Amino acid sequence: AQKVTQAQTEISVVEKEDVTLDCVYETRDTTYYLFWYKQPPSGELVFLIRRNSFDEQNEISGRYSWNFQKSTSSFNFTITASQVVDSAVYFCALRGMDSSYKLIFGSGTRLLVRP
Amino acid sequence: SQTIHQWPATLVQPVGSPLSLECTVEGTSNPNLYWYRQAAGRGLQLLFYSVGIGQISSEVPQNLSASRPQDRQFILSSKKLLLSDSGFYLCAWSGRGRPNQPQHFGDGTRLSIL
Repeated sequence: AQKVTQAQTEISVVEKEDVTLDCVYETRDTTYYLFWYKQPPSGELVFLIRRNSFDEQNEISGRYSWNFQKSTSSFNFTITASQVVDSAVYFCALRGMDSSYKLIFGSGTRLLVRP
Repeated sequence: SQTIHQWPATLVQPVGSPLSLECTVEGTSNPNLYWYRQAAGRGLQLLFYSVGIGQISSEVPQNLSASRPQDRQFILSSKKLLLSDSGFYLCAWSGRGRPNQPQHFGDGTRLSIL
């Protein structure tokens, strides 16, 4: 069975702090894809990043960085120098190779960045 | 470019009334389509998905149904709404045969049942 666990329900930081959101996944597929989405207070889900199971290279995009480690089945997300606009719920998701291409979402981490 | 539209944005309905939420995708063909529900402060629950016209798979037994009358149209319905149907409903699409591509979401519909 496939599963995504985001153990941190809510994180509160002060602006300019660095924060890491954890994501641990379970799958028996050898090929799979991992995603991060941001849900701001307005509600829409915004796609942030995708990572393939065969590509463990970490990625940095501005203040955002992602650490993918197959050995620990983790795909963690770090925001450097957080800003108030980063306040949102962040979801990690897993997709296997069945034809529906369903996403298995974690329960989300609510990030509050205080000024 | 591809876009996804959902309407209405907000809906208040009495218990026992019918429901119809519509989702359309533009700029792509043969998409996979999905309906999700998010209860207040909770995660996303996949309700239905469709890999083609008239092909609907249900993930959770419930009071709702879905239909796909056209390639890029996905409709979520109910004959009689329950209080437990309240929530935030999101439609999403992804490219068929492209598991490496993300799902793209609409802006959602906030449904309140009175």
